Amino acid sequence: NAGVTQTPKFRVLKTGQSMTLLCAQDMNHEYMYWYRQDPGMGLRLIHYSVGEGTTAKGEVPDGYNVSRLKKQNFLLGLESAAPSQTSVYFCASRNRDRNQPQHFGDGTRLSIL
Amino acid sequence: GQNIDQPTEMTATEGAIVQINCTYQTSGFNGLFWYQQHAGEAPTFLSYNVLDGLEEKGRFSSFLSRSKGYSYLLLKELQMKDSASYLCAVLRNTNAGKSTFGDGTTLTVKP
Repeated sequence: NAGVTQTPKFRVLKTGQSMTLLCAQDMNHEYMYWYRQDPGMGLRLIHYSVGEGTTAKGEVPDGYNVSRLKKQNFLLGLESAAPSQTSVYFCASRNRDRNQPQHFGDGTRLSIL
Repeated sequence: GQNIDQPTEMTATEGAIVQINCTYQTSGFNGLFWYQQHAGEAPTFLSYNVLDGLEEKGRFSSFLSRSKGYSYLLLKELQMKDSASYLCAVLRNTNAGKSTFGDGTTLTVKP
């Protein structure tokens, strides 16, 4: 039972570099989300998707892009990394039924130098 | 808009009972979740309330009052492994199942 898998688990980037974080879920969930979590600030929604081929902005979308070409995958891209993007990134998915919780991946710890 | 308040930190003794409060002000309320997050790990689901009242699940119970914008998580017979952060999340009435998360309450259980 893999659930939600995030790769990579850790990464160090230099300012200005680009990278893509991959999220894969095997539960056939319609909804997927990308969050960032900073110390003392809880989870903040970056982007989300309600289905294959659709994405939308969350609370803190600037500096990030996403794509959902396949239902099971949700990619988060940083085009030009900045130190302010140093954070722990969590991907989550859920079924569309109202009372269903989100299932989270183990997170990606990203440091921008 | 959405505003969710939880205490930042709490400390309790092993074997005791602790209550973690969450107050919220939000448009389009569609239920409230509690998640547990151990340090360095992913959040995991604990409970869901959509109607007023108490939901009991083993050592953990969660209460909701929609009229007061208030919920609490009650942990009984505390164990050392209950040391974690507890996140209150309001499910919003949107077509995307989005939740707004509080900043979390870090609970430390001492012997």
